[in-house]
Amino acid sequence: SAVISQKPSRDICQRGTSLTIQCQVDSQVTMMFWYRQQPGQSLTLIATANQGSEATYESGFVIDKFPISRPNLTFSTLTVSNMSPEDSSIYLCSVEGQGASYEQYFGPGTRLTVT
Amino acid sequence: QQPVQSPQAVILREGEDAVINCSSSKALYSVHWYRQKHGEAPVFLMILLKGGEQKGHDKISASFNEKKQQSSLYLTASQLSYSGTYFCGTANNYGQNFVFGPGTRLSVLP
Repeated sequence: SAVISQKPSRDICQRGTSLTIQCQVDSQVTMMFWYRQQPGQSLTLIATANQGSEATYESGFVIDKFPISRPNLTFSTLTVSNMSPEDSSIYLCSVEGQGASYEQYFGPGTRLTVT
Repeated sequence: QQPVQSPQAVILREGEDAVINCSSSKALYSVHWYRQKHGEAPVFLMILLKGGEQKGHDKISASFNEKKQQSSLYLTASQLSYSGTYFCGTANNYGQNFVFGPGTRLSVLP
């Protein structure tokens, strides 16, 4: 399994501002994923980030709102831009395990509150 | 398309058994099971791949019926530590189009 850290762990932001969330993995991984989880809800995939290529966004999520960087095989950032209260959520990054089994390991999450 | 989980919630006494079901309307390559405790990140439990296999991990096991496009998670002799929300995740086409189910909240009481 991989050890994943996220920064910040939580933040309170004003509407209209942007926040960049960092995700660091203790080993090199090909694919990293960004999820959003609202209280009491399931996890919704925002995008998949491969090193050296543009992130792939799921339906309902766009690059202008959630730009992602993937500069190397152990690090990624997700920016939540021009925030509104509807963006209040927990944002989690995850990585796939080694081999072909596709299990995912999650970071501790970033709890974002937009006022 | 999001898989369906049942039941939505279940309350057990310590030592009782539970079954959580996950079904999809689409052909599946794999089914994943995760447990999430309140305020924590989801934790991987097990994965079942196309082929109708069954897996076990301590007193938690799962089956995958590829033809019926469904999986079941079995928790036997439940412990207090089993409490949490269980999510299944499904993928088709060799791991692509992965999506989580809505979750099943399990509460184990002493």
